[in-house]
Amino acid sequence: DSGVTQTPKHLITATGQRVTLRCSPRSGDLSVYWYQQSLDQGLQFLIQYYNGEERAKGNILERFSAQQFPDLHSELNLSSLELGDSALYFCASSVAGTQTETQYFGPGTRLLVL
Amino acid sequence: DAKTTQPTSMDCAEGRAANLPCNHSTISGNEYVYWYRQIHSQGPQYIIHGLKNNETNEMASLIITEDRKSSTLILPHATLRDTAVYYCIVSANSNSGYALNFGKGTSLLVTP
Repeated sequence: DSGVTQTPKHLITATGQRVTLRCSPRSGDLSVYWYQQSLDQGLQFLIQYYNGEERAKGNILERFSAQQFPDLHSELNLSSLELGDSALYFCASSVAGTQTETQYFGPGTRLLVL
Repeated sequence: DAKTTQPTSMDCAEGRAANLPCNHSTISGNEYVYWYRQIHSQGPQYIIHGLKNNETNEMASLIITEDRKSSTLILPHATLRDTAVYYCIVSANSNSGYALNFGKGTSLLVTP
């Protein structure tokens, strides 16, 4: 158990809909990362937050947005969903988001768009 | 970030050492080598990391060549539970901060 929690574990929805994925980092960690894992693209970095502020962006679509709240939990919002958005979404956390830190990953949310 | 090259798949007999190679010939001086693994569809798990010295922890050993252009992850006594995809990642600050660039990894199968 990494200490990172993600809800829900599974999500089934329809194209065009909007969903919110939630992540609670390990106690004491200030930085949160979101990754997407699809069959054809592998594990890809989406976005990073540190203490409520966006720190870095990866291959995140404009239809996707995220935020980190004062209690440090984070939410990833996916809108206008398409079939290709079906994937595993992982959240990771680290203490301060620096180079030498370990990132601890949650169990993921499996999203299926029908 | 520097690109890494890993074999697509490897086999190892249970109880034997698993040696997973990684080539990172374009690595620069401030870039660390990280290893993570992913068992089935679980969240990736940190194994070990290093800059230029060899490192060992309770899970594995990391051997980095003197020129730092390649490294080897060693699982000293592989068990069936070590069957996973192993990712070698070179990490440095970029437009993506210190996000991990996972690549395709090596699928390790440990057999009885």
